[in-house]
Amino acid sequence: DAMVIQNPRYQVTQFGKPVTLSCSQTLNHNVMYWYQQKSSQAPKLLFHYYDKDFNNEADTPDNFQSRRPNTSFCFLDIRSPGLGDAAMYLCATSREGTDTTNEKLFFGSGTQLSVL
Amino acid sequence: ILNVEQSPQSLHVQEGDSTNFTCSFPSSNFYALHWYRWETAKSPEALFVMTLNGDEKKKGRISATLNTKEGYSYLYIKGSQPEDSATYLCAPANQAGTALIFGKGTTLSVSS
Repeated sequence: DAMVIQNPRYQVTQFGKPVTLSCSQTLNHNVMYWYQQKSSQAPKLLFHYYDKDFNNEADTPDNFQSRRPNTSFCFLDIRSPGLGDAAMYLCATSREGTDTTNEKLFFGSGTQLSVL
Repeated sequence: ILNVEQSPQSLHVQEGDSTNFTCSFPSSNFYALHWYRWETAKSPEALFVMTLNGDEKKKGRISATLNTKEGYSYLYIKGSQPEDSATYLCAPANQAGTALIFGKGTTLSVSS
């Protein structure tokens, strides 16, 4: 059974039209992450939540926002998608932070976003 | 920002061949090194989390070694099978309060 679930698997949006990607987890993990991966590039961390504490990477564009209404769910909002935002978006969880423990990440299967 | 290098970028081998790839990372403030396997249309899955210099971990035909002083890790696959075809990602963790930073990965293709 999937433990980190991302919906939808494929998402098509129009240039400038807001879009929300969702992630849910059944692991009751404290930490949830959003990574963006463009073709042939490394997955790039956008932000992560430790419980309700939001941690934004310095180079994450303001166009990207996130919400975590409860332990199980985390959303990625792209306010005005541009063509350059087309990518695979991966959600991941860990029980504790990977910088202080050797916790591994549990990933969802990703949402492939296309911007027309 | 951590600079993580993986080589080669891609690799094609025949079934039964053994292969290995490299992950290089800054050795300062090292805490742990993660390896993940990402098969097409599936979720990335953790293979190993390594923390000690000289550590070697094994999972079936796959093994990994770690050198924290010089900042590299090797992943070995013995007797590659088509089901080993995937992208293998490494990610070091340091104690600077950041989450995992991934390399670009090595994409392995195994032909039968």
